Amino acid sequence: AQSVTQLGSHVSVSEGALVLLRCNYSSSVPPYLFWYVQYPNQGLQLLLKYTTGATLVKGINGFEAEFKKSETSFHLTKPSAHMSDAAEYFCAVTGNNRLAFGKGNQVVVIP
Amino acid sequence: GAVVSQHPSRVICKSGTSVKIECRSLDFQATTMFWYRQFPKKSLMLMATSNEGSKATYEQGVEKDKFLINHASLTLSTLTVTSAHPEDSSFYICSAHTGGVAYEQYFGPGTRLTVT
Repeated sequence: AQSVTQLGSHVSVSEGALVLLRCNYSSSVPPYLFWYVQYPNQGLQLLLKYTTGATLVKGINGFEAEFKKSETSFHLTKPSAHMSDAAEYFCAVTGNNRLAFGKGNQVVVIP
Repeated sequence: GAVVSQHPSRVICKSGTSVKIECRSLDFQATTMFWYRQFPKKSLMLMATSNEGSKATYEQGVEKDKFLINHASLTLSTLTVTSAHPEDSSFYICSAHTGGVAYEQYFGPGTRLTVT
C-alpha cells in the first residue's frame, strides 16, 4: 500500500528564512504526489502536485517541490518564509483510488 | 475551478439528535466524494468513499449506521451523523475527485460539529 512519511510534527522557521518540509513516500507503482496546506478551521488547499514529466514542480504562494525517485522523496521548499505561511502542511500520495496522507507539519514562522 | 463547498460551517447540536452536512462540487461533476474526520492537531482520517448512485464504502471501524452517506447527484453528497454523542464532536471535511488520472482531490472548507 502507498504511504508517506513526514518527520517533525512542528517546524519553526524565521521570517525570511528557507522553508523545508520533508516527505518520503512508499509506492509500488509510479506515484502521484501532492502537497496540501491547511489554515486553522479550514479545509485543505492544493499547493502543488507531481504526476509525470518535470520533476521540479512549482505551486502557489512561492512553494515548489522536487520529485526524486532514487530517494523516494518529494520535499517542499520555499526560499523565504512569510508570516502568512504559518499553517499545517500535508504530503499525500495516490493509492488504491484514494489519497494517503502524512501526519502533517505544523509550521510556525518566527518574526 | 474545482471548488467544493460545505454547509454548515459550524453546527452545535444536542446529544441524541441527528445532523446533516452537505458537500457540493460547484463547478464540476464529482462521481466520487470522500468524507474525512480530523481530530485536533491530527491528520485526516478517511471515513468513507461516496460514489454517485451507489452505496458508500466505509473504512474499517466506521459505523455505517451512525454516519449515513448519500450521494444522490454528481454535485452533492451528504453526511448525516445520527444520534450524535459528544464523542462525535469533530471537524468533518469532504473532498471531491475531479476525474483526473492522478486522483487528486479538492477539499471543502470543513464543518465543525459540537455535540453538547
